[in-house]
Amino acid sequence: DVKVTQSSRYLVKRTGEKVFLECVQDMDHENMFWYRQDPGLGLRLIYFSYDVKMKEKGDIPEGYSVSREKKERFSLILESASTNQTSMYLCASSFEGSEAFFGQGTRLTVV
Amino acid sequence: KNQVEQSPQSLIILEGKNCTLQCNYTVSPFSNLRWYKQDTGRGPVSLTIMTFSENTKSNGRYTATLDADTKQSSLHITASQLSDSASYICVVSAKAGGFKTIFGAGTRLFVKA
Repeated sequence: DVKVTQSSRYLVKRTGEKVFLECVQDMDHENMFWYRQDPGLGLRLIYFSYDVKMKEKGDIPEGYSVSREKKERFSLILESASTNQTSMYLCASSFEGSEAFFGQGTRLTVV
Repeated sequence: KNQVEQSPQSLIILEGKNCTLQCNYTVSPFSNLRWYKQDTGRGPVSLTIMTFSENTKSNGRYTATLDADTKQSSLHITASQLSDSASYICVVSAKAGGFKTIFGAGTRLFVKA
């Protein structure tokens, strides 16, 4: 079974803190994604990566950055957390054009 | 503009009843359509995937249909169970150069005893 693991289920951070969300997949997928999910808005793509050290902006990249130093790991970074970044964050991985497998999600609250 | 719209936004049904969720899309050029189930506090899990040539696909009590001409899909749940309470997300992929994936906002289904 494919496994996509996110480092935390719940996080509470203060405004202005630097926040790291980690995601690891074990299926050698070349593509990895970070989404945020908010009520009524569905999933929105923040960043994705199709290879090590490669990254592409998604639909809402502002206020975020990413890092992919190894194929199995994709990190989402909030340089200076703000309250409007309170959300559910979902990581996913896939082969080209195939089904995406999701992690269990990280519910981030910025206070 | 590539869009995926789902209806209803939320739905409450009695255990044992059937229901149908709708998905309309304007994504082009169409590659495939997937339905995901997302339990509260969890990541989405794939239920079905259909390509252009497929009209229907089943996964247990879940049956998805696709009409590529009218750009509509439905997810039919038969004999609902309490564990079907979840959000159901329609996802459409387009292939033009690379792949672009568009998510619907989801339908929140609540099955009550």
